[in-house]
Amino acid sequence: DGGITQSPKYLFRKEGQNVTLSCEQNLNHDAMYWYRQDPGQGLRLIYYSQIVNDFQKGDIAEGYSVSREKKESFPLTVTSAQKNPTAFYLCASSIVWGLVGWDTQYFGPGTRLTVL
Amino acid sequence: AQTVTQSQPEMSVQEAETVTLSCTYDTSENNYYLFWYKQPPSRQMILVIRQEAYKQQNATENRFSVNFQKAAKSFSLKISDSQLGDTAMYFCVYITHGAGSYQLTFGKGTKLSVIP
Repeated sequence: DGGITQSPKYLFRKEGQNVTLSCEQNLNHDAMYWYRQDPGQGLRLIYYSQIVNDFQKGDIAEGYSVSREKKESFPLTVTSAQKNPTAFYLCASSIVWGLVGWDTQYFGPGTRLTVL
Repeated sequence: AQTVTQSQPEMSVQEAETVTLSCTYDTSENNYYLFWYKQPPSRQMILVIRQEAYKQQNATENRFSVNFQKAAKSFSLKISDSQLGDTAMYFCVYITHGAGSYQLTFGKGTKLSVIP
């Protein structure tokens, strides 16, 4: 089955520790995205990647870092510089970025990060 | 800056009835895309319907249709023959992009409950 997987579903970390959230897709999509969702809010874009070895900051990139070494993987690291990291994180992918408009994004199941 | 307003935080509808969710947005762009996404209790984001701003014809997808009024910057979602599985949070999403840039804005959402 094709899709996007995120692991783990729930993640607990102590304040001041870096933590990496996994996102893997087997849809052969070029573009991948990371979003953050806070209670009662919509999604906000953290980072996006149009293609392997390239990524761009979104609206709230401070305190986060990403890498895109492989087409199918787009891990997100929440660093100690992120002042309020407790949130729900969603990863998404789309076939292409930009060229034919914004294609339908396929979302993973999300990771709930709680910093203690 | 683009803003997306969903003026109805919560709505309810009787099963098999019709309900309309409202969305207005503010933008100075001419080319953009509008989406409705649903987020059921599982928290995964699911595409409901999309509309390209350059298309005058309103998008329809089975029981879901939109009323896109570009001049009024309005993008409402109509759900016909409501089903229990339609119970979810619904987000109106605005996206525009250009060479090297990408702007995404989510509304705060409308919580829809379908009552048996």
